[in-house]
Amino acid sequence: NAGVTQTPKFRVLKTGQSMTLLCAQDMNHEYMYWYRQDPGMGLRLIHYSVGEGTTAKGEVPDGYNVSRLKKQNFLLGLESAAPSQTSVYFCASSYPPLTSGRAKGEQFFGPGTRLTVL
Amino acid sequence: QKEVEQDPGPLSVPEGAIVSLNCTYSNSAFQYFMWYRQYSRKGPELLMYTYSSGNKEDGRFTAQVDKSSKYISLFIRDSQPSDSATYLCAMSPDRGSTLGRLYFGRGTQLTVWP
Repeated sequence: NAGVTQTPKFRVLKTGQSMTLLCAQDMNHEYMYWYRQDPGMGLRLIHYSVGEGTTAKGEVPDGYNVSRLKKQNFLLGLESAAPSQTSVYFCASSYPPLTSGRAKGEQFFGPGTRLTVL
Repeated sequence: QKEVEQDPGPLSVPEGAIVSLNCTYSNSAFQYFMWYRQYSRKGPELLMYTYSSGNKEDGRFTAQVDKSSKYISLFIRDSQPSDSATYLCAMSPDRGSTLGRLYFGRGTQLTVWP
């Protein structure tokens, strides 16, 4: 049981390049999330998904796109990378928020992707 | 103003000390309150979870929620070097369009020295 995995672990991009971050979970979770974490800023929600084929904007969605074609995968795309997108990106997944027998709000996080945009 | 405020520290204490970590919030719709622990270069993990007001204890950790003051706390007794991490508070409503979303504080970096 791998939990939440993220690919790649590290990446360096030049301004204007594009890339896709892949998140995969094997816990059959309905909900998936993408966050970015910057020093002193905590975790900020970029986009999230409440089920296969559905996505929604979070707190800081500009410059990012997402897709959830399969329940177990959630992709984060940067179409034209900017230095301001240098960050650590975390994917998370969870059961639906009111699932009985579960700690409400518990999200399971991946190990993160460290992205540098030059 | 962020919906959840948390002093980022850093906080440095000797082994065995009692540690108090706090967050304040402004959204009265928050009903679920959590503390996540994040070790260096790792993803956050859920440490404590409470619903509405009250206290919850788990070993050396105690979480308190005071909804009247919109204030939550995490206490660590007999702190250990292995408790050195960043502690993030997180909150969520129990209904509405943002159900399922967590709102995080900035995180407090804690170091416990031997």
